[in-house]
Amino acid sequence: QVQLVQSGAEVKRPGASVRVSCKASGYTFTNQDINWVRQAPGQGLEWMGWMNPNSGNTGYASKFRDRVTMTRDTSMTTAYLDLSSLRSEDTAVYYCARGLHYFDFWGQGTLVTVSS
Amino acid sequence: QSVLTQPPSMSGAPGQRVTISCTGQSSNIGAGYEVQWYQQIPGIAPKLLIYENKKRASGVPDRFSGATSGTSASLAIAGLQAEDEADYYCQSFDSSLSGRVFGGGTKLTVL
Repeated sequence: QVQLVQSGAEVKRPGASVRVSCKASGYTFTNQDINWVRQAPGQGLEWMGWMNPNSGNTGYASKFRDRVTMTRDTSMTTAYLDLSSLRSEDTAVYYCARGLHYFDFWGQGTLVTVSS
Repeated sequence: QSVLTQPPSMSGAPGQRVTISCTGQSSNIGAGYEVQWYQQIPGIAPKLLIYENKKRASGVPDRFSGATSGTSASLAIAGLQAEDEADYYCQSFDSSLSGRVFGGGTKLTVL
């Protein structure tokens, strides 16, 4: 069965960087895009960008373009989200989600807390 | 401020039919980009309900249906059940932003 398993919660200081991983199983990793979506406490869903695991091509929402990097390790069937220059407003649950136009499988979410 | 506008909250009694709206613009729904709907129980990852405007995801009961018209989309839930109490989000693509966009979400309460 398709599974996306994410890394555990993180606590970071303002200005630091964070890496969240998303390990895929149950399907051919390189056949489906991986998207990243975040949700601040009590707020809605916010799309951050996408990555094609086959080519490594990416596309980022303009809001995050200068701070985000999405990569992958095809041998490990794992996608990564790197977010730099963290600020308190980046405190959120970060989800990876499979798909191009729609997201049919989601990771369990990773809470990133940014606090001094 | 979300690009796709949803009512913040709605409610209905068990057995009733409710319709959640998602209002977009000429750069997203109005341009023909397809709409998806997700259900989220607080504290749990979203679940795909409807994709490509009106197709039900695997395992989704036929009480759920999607439709689009012009610059808007809607999710209808018939025969409301207690387990339908959740947050619902619409999602599409926006050509002006060159990316996926979500609605602000609608909290559905089953009375």
